[in-house]
Amino acid sequence: GAGVSQSPRYKVAKRGQDVALRCDPISGHVSLFWYQQALGQGPEFLTYFQNEAQLDKSGLPSDRFFAERPEGSVSTLKIQRTQQEDSAVYLCASSLRTWLNTGELFFGEGSRLTVL
Amino acid sequence: RKEVEQDPGPFNVPEGATVAFNCTYSNSASQSFFWYRQDCRKEPKLLMSVYSSGNEDGRFTAQLNRASQYISLLIRDSKLSDSATYLCVVKENAGNMLTFGGGTRLMVKP
Repeated sequence: GAGVSQSPRYKVAKRGQDVALRCDPISGHVSLFWYQQALGQGPEFLTYFQNEAQLDKSGLPSDRFFAERPEGSVSTLKIQRTQQEDSAVYLCASSLRTWLNTGELFFGEGSRLTVL
Repeated sequence: RKEVEQDPGPFNVPEGATVAFNCTYSNSASQSFFWYRQDCRKEPKLLMSVYSSGNEDGRFTAQLNRASQYISLLIRDSKLSDSATYLCVVKENAGNMLTFGGGTRLMVKP
């Protein structure tokens, strides 16, 4: 489809395992965001890319979280040594630079991570 | 204190009712304001921007009060399909992100 695609949709990990979540943005979208959404909460900002450059990673909660977008398209969010508090839906969003004015981000359906 | 605060609800209203949601933001340097809608277990989607002069889109009216750092969304003639969580969203002047509130859940009943 033409939308933002995320995989896996569901991931169950044992505490201490590493996980990798993938995001395929809409073709041509230079801006890419990762958000974390806990149950019953709003999305919380994690990090922002413009093309391959990670311009803001102020929302990453710890050094266990790492994101990359090496070729300015697909992005991966990696969480090392997962903890139970990492359980959440991880949302990826992409947009043209026009988001600065329009406020419109196009979200994927998210990757639901459950850490046991 | 969260940067963007909303009453979580739920607001339970009958079809045809008028309902209003409020949102407050803490950073006076915030520049742009939006409402997003998120259906259960789905992704958030932009509903409308919020302009200083207030703006309307069909049954939806958004208003901004910069002095009070307060944003509102009014829904007239509620439909069953309006049932969702409404997220108040703020962009700061120099920020690289949209900051989301916790959301207000609306349930419209027949």
